[in-house]
Amino acid sequence: GNSVTQMEGPVTLSEEAFLTINCTYTATGYPSLFWYVQYPGEGLQLLLKATKADDKGSNKGFEATYRKETTSFHLEKGSVQVSDSAVYFCALRDTGRRALTFGSGTRLQVQP
Amino acid sequence: NAGVTQTPKFRVLKTGQSMTLLCAQDMNHEYMYWYRQDPGMGLRLIHYSVGEGTTAKGEVPDGYNVSRLKKQNFLLGLESAAPSQTSVYFCASTTPGALNTEAFFGQGTRLTVV
Repeated sequence: GNSVTQMEGPVTLSEEAFLTINCTYTATGYPSLFWYVQYPGEGLQLLLKATKADDKGSNKGFEATYRKETTSFHLEKGSVQVSDSAVYFCALRDTGRRALTFGSGTRLQVQP
Repeated sequence: NAGVTQTPKFRVLKTGQSMTLLCAQDMNHEYMYWYRQDPGMGLRLIHYSVGEGTTAKGEVPDGYNVSRLKKQNFLLGLESAAPSQTSVYFCASTTPGALNTEAFFGQGTRLTVV
């Protein structure tokens, strides 16, 4: 079956630090890959996505590249802000039931 | 445009009680999902629906039932609540078509079973 593995958190960074959150996946087909973000007390929002190998998704300074050879979709940001503090979920959708399969989430805390 | 709305936002139940969580979307989406979120486990799929009148089991369906009588609504029922069902429940919806189509989430229902 499908699965998504994320690095465990929490991740604590100082403002303007570089961020990497690792994500690897297992899928039977050719899934689309996503990063969703959950701010405190809210539902999940799409942050970025990629559809095929070597695609790069980007949004709000965050980037992730679909690496089929390493089955990875690591999230990066060059300079984090306090407002980026949230829980980040890596997810995939395959050709089966079209439901998202999520990783366990990584909590990011950015300190001023 | 409200998007996906979940009712209620918070609820405390006693073991053995029943309740229904309502999810309503105004985006004319075909697909709807119920997930539960537990610490360290991400979101796990409970049940889903690919259209009005259809439902299917997800990864963790035991103890839950669902109904999709109207396209815009997806109901999640707990017939006899157990403490293991204490969780945050999220509803989501999306359209068929490309795999990279965005799913839209409600704000969640925090359920505590005592």
